[in-house]
Amino acid sequence: GAVVSQHPSWVICKSGTSVKIECRSLDFQATTMFWYRQFPKQSLMLMATSNEGSKATYEQGVEKDKFLINHASLTLSTLTVTSAHPEDSSFYICSGEGRKGEAFFGQGTRLTVV
Amino acid sequence: AQSVTQPDIHITVSEGASLELRCNYSYGATPYLFWYVQSPGQGLQLLLKYFSGDTLVQGIKGFEAEFKRSQSSFNLRKPSVHWSDAAEYFCAVGASFGNEKLTFGTGTRLTIIP
Repeated sequence: GAVVSQHPSWVICKSGTSVKIECRSLDFQATTMFWYRQFPKQSLMLMATSNEGSKATYEQGVEKDKFLINHASLTLSTLTVTSAHPEDSSFYICSGEGRKGEAFFGQGTRLTVV
Repeated sequence: AQSVTQPDIHITVSEGASLELRCNYSYGATPYLFWYVQSPGQGLQLLLKYFSGDTLVQGIKGFEAEFKRSQSSFNLRKPSVHWSDAAEYFCAVGASFGNEKLTFGTGTRLTIIP
């Protein structure tokens, strides 16, 4: 199946700093990529949908100025957590939509803000 | 609103024993149903999916799931588990086979004992 590479796998950052997470589709072009967040013992929650070359669509309750999403090419989408706070600590996972609509997920990024 | 419930947070089974992971959903229309598996350090991998047709769906790695509309359930089964099946399993419901607006359950962690 298609491969989506997410980097980094884990990151620890200081409160107030920004963190960038990359999501790459390695062997297919993902016109649409999705970003999810998972808090401990909770479901994966869709944060936003990004389409190549256009602004991301954010789910209700997700701050677009805090979670900056860029989808500059058909193989790369990035999520930047700006001015991170401890409550942003979570597991972030991306997925790319293949040609047939199937989802291919990255490995996820565990963010810890101290 | 759609929702998914996985009532078992953690299940432990012996290698070679049978397995059933429970999933109940709430969805207003005919649901697209998915089971994903996540091994440590890996992305989510699709095990199987269902929309219509035969209510018993075969997936990869010897897994199957049965859709029961009357019970709003989509339980995952395997007749004989292997140590490599130890992972986190997620049930999800969506509006199509694309992963837009997928709603995930909280996951079930499967531990295999020798």
